[in-house]
Amino acid sequence: AQSVTQLGSHVSVSEGALVLLRCNYSSSVPPYLFWYVQYPNQGLQLLLKYTSAATLVKGINGFEAEFKKSETSFHLTKPSAHMSDAAEYFCAVSDGSSASKIIFGSGTRLSIRP
Amino acid sequence: DAGITQSPRYKITETGRQVTLMCHQTWSHSYMFWYRQDLGHGLRLIYYSAAADITDKGEVPDGYVVSRSKTENFPLTLESATRSQTSVYFCASFEPGYSPLHFGNGTRLTVT
Repeated sequence: AQSVTQLGSHVSVSEGALVLLRCNYSSSVPPYLFWYVQYPNQGLQLLLKYTSAATLVKGINGFEAEFKKSETSFHLTKPSAHMSDAAEYFCAVSDGSSASKIIFGSGTRLSIRP
Repeated sequence: DAGITQSPRYKITETGRQVTLMCHQTWSHSYMFWYRQDLGHGLRLIYYSAAADITDKGEVPDGYVVSRSKTENFPLTLESATRSQTSVYFCASFEPGYSPLHFGNGTRLTVT
């Protein structure tokens, strides 16, 4: 069975500081991994995805994530936070065979301090 | 405009009433999904459909009914609403191998 754990329901950083949102997964097969972002009163948008190619994945808005099999992690980072990055972020895992098996984490709310 | 549209955006209903949430997509994606979002639970899959007239249960299907007579529409019905069904509901679609999941903007449902 697959699962995903997001460490920290709320993260607050200063504008210009490093953003680090943590995600650990559990999967019995090579996983597909995703990060989605949700802005207020909107649906989720795909930030980036890992599908067994390069372990460092670059996404939109300057975000990137690194797949570390040994740590079963897929943490999301951005070198310099911007006020517009304030949103809810979801990590998700899939076995790749069908989107019906996409499992979402409980989400991390990112706040940016001026 | 191309995309995925949910209606209504907000709905208040009473316990025991039937309510239907609508979802329409213009991409002709084969797969469509209904999720509910609750604080601390992330998104949980209610039902999904792989094609017209093919539906299957997700993680939390009890109390919900779906149908998919046309590829572009995937309505979700609460046959007898309960307070525990107060939530934000998201519809999503995708085409395997071609697109990621695309989400609608959600329907915020309150059951009083």
